[in-house]
Amino acid sequence: EPEVTQTPSHQVTQMGQEVILRCVPISNHLYFYWYRQILGQKVEFLVSFYNNEISEKSEIFDDQFSVERPDGSNFTLKIRSTKLEDSAMYFCASSKEVGETQYFGPGTRLLVL
Amino acid sequence: KQEVTQIPAALSVPEGENLVLNCSFTDSAIYNLQWFRQDPGKGLTSLLLIQSSQREQTSGRLNASLDKSSGRSTLYIAASQPGDSATYLCAVGRGGGADGLTFGKGTHLIIQP
Repeated sequence: EPEVTQTPSHQVTQMGQEVILRCVPISNHLYFYWYRQILGQKVEFLVSFYNNEISEKSEIFDDQFSVERPDGSNFTLKIRSTKLEDSAMYFCASSKEVGETQYFGPGTRLLVL
Repeated sequence: KQEVTQIPAALSVPEGENLVLNCSFTDSAIYNLQWFRQDPGKGLTSLLLIQSSQREQTSGRLNASLDKSSGRSTLYIAASQPGDSATYLCAVGRGGGADGLTFGKGTHLIIQP
């Protein structure tokens, strides 16, 4: 069964460094999402992406964040200058159409020191 | 702003019992509602999606209902098994181009063998 995959599974970085989190959505899906979950807290929506542009973003998704679909399979989240509070599990998700089931990847655990 | 609440926060029951998990949301103008399970340190597994026009959805031992006007959904698990132990998350979608899901904090379920 097709799955959303994410790399790396874990990443440790120093405050102020740039990180890129990678995702491969399910191949025939058109809508892509990033969410994050700070330890012990709710899953929070960051951004959705369709047709090579952002379709919605939350208040969390400020100028330090960016997303890109660099080729036909990958979807990336870049954090330009990481802060301690960016430490969280980051989930990528995809859906075939808007309003349909969103399928989540296993997540990347980011630790900012 | 949409708020999603899940009650109870934690639940421990003996194997074989039927149980109900509750989800409530403050804004009834939703497009759909999705139930997920999350195992410790893992990603989210989609269980059921209910569109706003539907009243319930069933998958195996799981049945989810939606009462949009009262802002409530329930997840019914029949004949619980130890393998059902996980955190169950409820998430609502607003639709209308706003694709991001708003999550509850979850119900942590333990099924005692």
